[in-house]
Amino acid sequence: DTAVSQTPKYLVTQMGNDKSIKCEQNLGHDTMYWYKQDSKKFLKIMFSYNNKELIINETVPNRFSPKSPDKAHLNLHINSLELGDSAVYFCASSQDLAGGSDTQYFGPGTRLTVL
Amino acid sequence: DAKTTQPPSMDCAEGRAANLPCNHSTISGNEYVYWYRQIHSQGPQYIIHGLKNNETNEMASLIITEDRKSSTLILPHATLRDTAVYYCIVKGSGNTGKLIFGQGTTLQVKP
Repeated sequence: DTAVSQTPKYLVTQMGNDKSIKCEQNLGHDTMYWYKQDSKKFLKIMFSYNNKELIINETVPNRFSPKSPDKAHLNLHINSLELGDSAVYFCASSQDLAGGSDTQYFGPGTRLTVL
Repeated sequence: DAKTTQPPSMDCAEGRAANLPCNHSTISGNEYVYWYRQIHSQGPQYIIHGLKNNETNEMASLIITEDRKSSTLILPHATLRDTAVYYCIVKGSGNTGKLIFGQGTTLQVKP
């Protein structure tokens, strides 16, 4: 009964390919996020969705396109993969977007390696 | 962009209390202090958060100074499994929910 799950856990692909990462949460939360952790271990927000509506887009290249079919799912599609996209991608969810008192729950991460 | 300052690393003996400091001198009145940790290769894990008062849960205690410019996370009896990177994050209602992670403190619990 994992709260936030991601698939796949590992993804190895060639430059130029298109790939997707899926995220699902069973917590009944309204808000979901994508974070990227690069090789230097810095964690940065990429996107957030609230009730299927895009709220945050942190100057991420438009090769990255999040899709939220329903509020329990937030998928990340990446076109024309580049070497610099290699990172660990974390999905997270929270109940209350705007409140200061708000806890985010993270998935286990997807390690993307672009060759 | 991080609004907090933490020591890059700390050691702690197993079974002893681990006290992790955090400075957030520019914190605003409506901003909370959050602590998360990341155990190697896993997703960040929520530990505790607070606004003004000290807080305690089953994992840790959070002590916030009266002027709210600094705080300390206390793990009362550290175990080897507490070895992780600990992030202190200041978050308010106006930043659309995103967490801004700094470099954190790498806590090494030693036998």
